[in-house]
Amino acid sequence: SQQGEEDPQALSIQEGENATMNCSYKTSINNLQWYRQNSGRGLVHLILIRSNEREKHSGRLRVTLDTSKKSSSLLITASRAADTASYFCATDVNRDDKIIFGKGTRLHILP
Amino acid sequence: KAGVTQTPRYLIKTRGQQVTLSCSPISGHRSVSWYQQTPGQGLQFLFEYFSETQRNKGNFPGRFSGRQFSNSRSEMNVSTLELGDSALYLCASSRASGIPEDTQYFGPGTRLTVL
Repeated sequence: SQQGEEDPQALSIQEGENATMNCSYKTSINNLQWYRQNSGRGLVHLILIRSNEREKHSGRLRVTLDTSKKSSSLLITASRAADTASYFCATDVNRDDKIIFGKGTRLHILP
Repeated sequence: KAGVTQTPRYLIKTRGQQVTLSCSPISGHRSVSWYQQTPGQGLQFLFEYFSETQRNKGNFPGRFSGRQFSNSRSEMNVSTLELGDSALYLCASSRASGIPEDTQYFGPGTRLTVL
């Protein structure tokens, strides 16, 4: 069963704009990760945020985590054409080493 | 450092056949995990191997099996293929097992089509 659910399912924005994707999950987690997948290829790890962290930055990426709402958001600032991809959140459930992925948000950056 | 490699990249099989997919992890990585990705179900965890032992298993039928060799290379096998097994099969490697901060590195995947 899915643990994380991304929202929206698809997003199209103009190059240079900011893109925000959200992830909600159901049970307590140790940490939450975001991955990017270019069309039909492998996943690339973007960022990991621990359950005791509220915000984390990496370059143009900003991730927030609200454990009380069981949700996370990924913000990509100043989007570029190369950011066109699917973005997945992944959680590992407490006391369970499995990583469970959401169904992803398809981001399309318009020129 | 070479990344995770998967072979073959594309595969076409017919119902009832069996298939073996291979994954070579990054040098020094001892954990290999397998995932199935379909448009309907998304990314689903199949199993994880560490030091030649299966550490974790997802909710897949026994037709799906795997193994890991002493050099950490891993294979997964699907027997009696069904149309629903058509998917992108991804493997990921990491240095250790059970450490969430230990980043998983994914291979490009094997696209399996069952006719």
